Amino acid sequence: GAVVSQHPSRVICKSGTSVKIECRSLDFQATTMFWYRQFPKQSLMLMATSNEGSKATYEQGVEKDKFLINHASLTLSTLTVTSAHPEDSSFYICSARDPRFNEQFFGPGTRLTVL
Amino acid sequence: DAKTTQPPSMDCAEGRAANLPCNHSTISGNEYVYWYRQIHSQGPQYIIHGLKNNETNEMASLIITEDRKSSTLILPHATLRDTAVYYCIVREYSGNTPLVFGKGTRLSVIA
Repeated sequence: GAVVSQHPSRVICKSGTSVKIECRSLDFQATTMFWYRQFPKQSLMLMATSNEGSKATYEQGVEKDKFLINHASLTLSTLTVTSAHPEDSSFYICSARDPRFNEQFFGPGTRLTVL
Repeated sequence: DAKTTQPPSMDCAEGRAANLPCNHSTISGNEYVYWYRQIHSQGPQYIIHGLKNNETNEMASLIITEDRKSSTLILPHATLRDTAVYYCIVREYSGNTPLVFGKGTRLSVIA
């Protein structure tokens, strides 16, 4: 299957700072990427859908000014958590659609801890 | 909202078949059944998907009832590495529709 990478795998930051998470499709071009968040012992929750060259579509309840998504190329999408607070601590997972297989492939996730 | 219902947890002895059920009574004609799994602290991994026929690949088999209202994922010879949360998801085939995850089934494979 297709490969999706995320960087960093873990990040610890102070409250009030911003953190950028990168999601890359390594062997295919992804016109659509998805961002999920997962709290401990809970399921994945879709945050937003990112389409290359256009604005992201956010799910209800997700603050677009706090979670900035940029999908500037067919292989890279970034999620920036602005002014992070401890309640933003979570496991963030990206997913990319591979048009060759019409499937979603997931990255390994980024664990964010805000102190 | 997730359109599927799965038992919250199951145990399976190592080497035996693991049969994971899923109810999707409101599935529509153009929706597929997908199965993913998530090993602790990793991203979800695709397992298999199907529309109405039974499917098999190197990882698992998917059995879909004739009325398509339920399905079963079968891991023929479970190993300890199969311990994970298994998610059954129904979705239209278009890849632009995101996968919506329910609570899944936590499968514990026991030695």
